Amino acid sequence: ETGVTQTPRHLVMGMTNKKSLKCEQHLGHNAMYWYKQSAKKPLELMFVYSLEERVENNSVPSRFSPECPNSSHLFLHLHTLQPEDSALYLCASSAAATYEQYFGPGTRLTVT
Amino acid sequence: EDQVTQSPEALRLQEGESSSLNCSYTVSGLRGLFWYRQDPGKGPEFLFTLYSAGEEKEKERLKATLTKKESFLHITAPKPEDSATYLCAVQAAGGQNFVFGPGTRLSVLP
Repeated sequence: ETGVTQTPRHLVMGMTNKKSLKCEQHLGHNAMYWYKQSAKKPLELMFVYSLEERVENNSVPSRFSPECPNSSHLFLHLHTLQPEDSALYLCASSAAATYEQYFGPGTRLTVT
Repeated sequence: EDQVTQSPEALRLQEGESSSLNCSYTVSGLRGLFWYRQDPGKGPEFLFTLYSAGEEKEKERLKATLTKKESFLHITAPKPEDSATYLCAVQAAGGQNFVFGPGTRLSVLP
């Protein structure tokens, strides 16, 4: 595997389900990010982890819970989501929190 | 509040017809301005980083420039494979946040 990988690529979940999105980077980077991309809206930064510590949390609802167990892996735990949470969720990594980011292919999430 | 706008929202060009995309920004001290390309169903692909007014970067048919208020992405003699959405983002000095613009959707017709 190379670059940034995300699993699953597609996810359909009900509002009462609990699921997790996984991201793995193979670039030796120290910072990782979660973004939300909705139709007709700009990319929204959700969380930033630098050296496994959360350094940014942009007022994201508590039904989204990130976890960064090491510098190569990032998870987004989801529970009791709403239909408006349906979107493309993108993971990215960078050498440091001030450098250009490299994105994964995203997880297309649909909440029914 | 840091803001990024991009124009036009969509642009259709004939193959070989050069043009420019605009990214205007408001930020409290710029650390860096980033250009990305995004193809449908894929994550954004990094193109350029610009750090200070007057800086220019080139890659194949693309050239990015930066002033104190805006950045331009010039596309010279585009080809159909240049069709994509082009995203601009800024990072303010002293922060970890990245603010993205809404993008310009470019279509290059053969």
